[in-house]
Amino acid sequence: GAGVSQSPSNKVTEKGKDVELRCDPISGHTALYWYRQSLGQGLEFLIYFQGNSAPDKSGLPSDRFSAERTGGSVSTLTIQRTQQEDSAVYLCASSLAGQNSGNTIYFGEGSWLTVV
Amino acid sequence: QKEVEQNSGPLSVPEGAIASLNCTYSDRGSQSFFWYRQYSGKSPELIMSIYSNGDKEDGRFTAQLNKASQYVSLLIRDSQPSDSATYLCAVKGNTGKLIFGQGTTLQVKP
Repeated sequence: GAGVSQSPSNKVTEKGKDVELRCDPISGHTALYWYRQSLGQGLEFLIYFQGNSAPDKSGLPSDRFSAERTGGSVSTLTIQRTQQEDSAVYLCASSLAGQNSGNTIYFGEGSWLTVV
Repeated sequence: QKEVEQNSGPLSVPEGAIASLNCTYSDRGSQSFFWYRQYSGKSPELIMSIYSNGDKEDGRFTAQLNKASQYVSLLIRDSQPSDSATYLCAVKGNTGKLIFGQGTTLQVKP
């Protein structure tokens, strides 16, 4: 499909395990965002990639969280030693150059993470 | 102070009424402003974008921006039960980073 693709769509993991969440943005989109949304809450900014610039990691909640974007396309969000409070839906979004105010941001369907 | 603030609601309006949703932001350098709608269990979808002071209308929706007051609002005319959702205000700075508010839940009662 032509949209933002995320995998897995659902993940149940045991506390203390590591998880990897993948985002495949729309082809040609240089800006990529990760957000976290806990039940009944708003979107919490995690990290923002724009082209070859250093990512804005200011939203990552702890050093257990990291993200990378290989070749300016696919991104992986890694959560190490998962905790129950990490349970949330993780949303990825992409757009053409992020600084351009006119570029629409498109969301994937999210990865629903449950830590038991 | 949160970067983007919204009243969480719920905001309840009767069918056919005007729903008014409000948002304030802290970064005076913000350039772009968006309203997203999110149905339960779904991803956000873009409703409106606005970049300059004043009003912007699209069908039943009107976005209003006042940069001096750091305030952006969304009006929904002739509200329908299908408009019942959470409305998220989002603000983009000049680096492209996009920050969302907590969202306002709207309930339109038949």
